[in-house]
Amino acid sequence: EPEVTQTPSHQVTQMGQEVILRCVPISNHLYFYWYRQILGQKVEFLVSFYNNEISEKSEIFDDQFSVERPDGSNFTLKIRSTKLEDSAMYFCASTTGTGANTIYFGEGSWLTVV
Amino acid sequence: KQEVTQIPAALSVPEGENLVLNCSFTDSAIYNLQWFRQDPGKGLTSLLLIQSSQREQTSGRLNASLDKSSGRSTLYIAASQPGDSATYLCAVRGLRGTASKLTFGTGTRLQVTL
Repeated sequence: EPEVTQTPSHQVTQMGQEVILRCVPISNHLYFYWYRQILGQKVEFLVSFYNNEISEKSEIFDDQFSVERPDGSNFTLKIRSTKLEDSAMYFCASTTGTGANTIYFGEGSWLTVV
Repeated sequence: KQEVTQIPAALSVPEGENLVLNCSFTDSAIYNLQWFRQDPGKGLTSLLLIQSSQREQTSGRLNASLDKSSGRSTLYIAASQPGDSATYLCAVRGLRGTASKLTFGTGTRLQVTL
């Protein structure tokens, strides 16, 4: 069964460093998402991406975050200058369309900022 | 703004019991509702997707119901097993926004004891 894959599974970085989290969505999917989950808290929406542009973003997704689909397969989340509070599990997700379609999630990338 | 609440926050039951997890949401303008399972430190496994036009969905020992007008869903687990121990999340997919994101609840942590 096709799946969303994410790398790295775990990354430790120093505060102030740039981090890039990578995702390979399911191949025929058109809508892509990033969510995050701080330890012990709920899964929160960060950003959605469709047709090579951001379609919606939350208030969490400020100027330090950016997303890119550099080629036909990868979807990346960049955090420019990490803060301690960016420590979380980051989930990538994708779907074929809006509405009735299931959204599929990757296994997540644990980011620890020290 | 959509708010999703799950009750109870935690539940401990002996093996073999049937149990019900509750999910409520404030905005009934949804495409569908999805139930996920999350093991500690792991990703999100989709269990059931129930469309807004449906009343229930079943998969094995799991049955999810949806009452969109009252903003409620339940996940029924029959004959619980220790392997069912995990956190269960419900998430609603809203009609608003181009990519119609998922909004997650806080989860119910289930422990099934021997």
